[in-house]
Amino acid sequence: SQQGEEDPQALSIQEGENATMNCSYKTSINNLQWYRQNSGRGLVHLILIRSNEREKHSGRLRVTLDTSKKSSSLLITASRAADTASYFCATDAIRRGQGAQKLVFGQGTRLTINP
Amino acid sequence: DGGITQSPKYLFRKEGQNVTLSCEQNLNHDAMYWYRQDPGQGLRLIYYSQIVNDFQKGDIAEGYSVSREKKESFPLTVTSAQKNPTAFYLCASSIQGVMNTEAFFGQGTRLTVV
Repeated sequence: SQQGEEDPQALSIQEGENATMNCSYKTSINNLQWYRQNSGRGLVHLILIRSNEREKHSGRLRVTLDTSKKSSSLLITASRAADTASYFCATDAIRRGQGAQKLVFGQGTRLTINP
Repeated sequence: DGGITQSPKYLFRKEGQNVTLSCEQNLNHDAMYWYRQDPGQGLRLIYYSQIVNDFQKGDIAEGYSVSREKKESFPLTVTSAQKNPTAFYLCASSIQGVMNTEAFFGQGTRLTVV
């Protein structure tokens, strides 16, 4: 089952504009992570935000987390053609009594930056 | 260089054959994961392992098997029982579970049934 749902599924903007992607999830979490995937490649970790944090920055990336709404957003400022990729949110999913943890991904947002 | 390596990059399987995808990491990570990705879709968890000689089923384990005999290695076997195995398979590892730690991914294996 998918924990996260990204919105929109696809986004196309002009270079230099800001791109905002949203993620909603269903259960309580310890942290939420954002990953990037270039076409046909593995995923690369971008940023992790803990459940007790509301906002986090990393270079041109800004992530917010609203645990009351079970949602997060990823903002990429001053976009570049090289930012073209798919972006996924992922949440940890701890199940009572099992101890083990797993990382559950959403469906992703395909971002296209037009030069 | 430290990292996680998947092989082969491309794999072709005939109907009824079992095939094994390799995943090796030299990051000294305890946890390893296998995901399946279909075109234009997100990642679905097949199996995961938190420690050597132990692993757990994910959301779509049917038709797949794994082993974790060594910390560095987590091979995935796609059996003939998997009815639609054509997909992109991604292996990942993390230090210890996913509590406040990032996952590192391999470059993937693209499996095609011919």
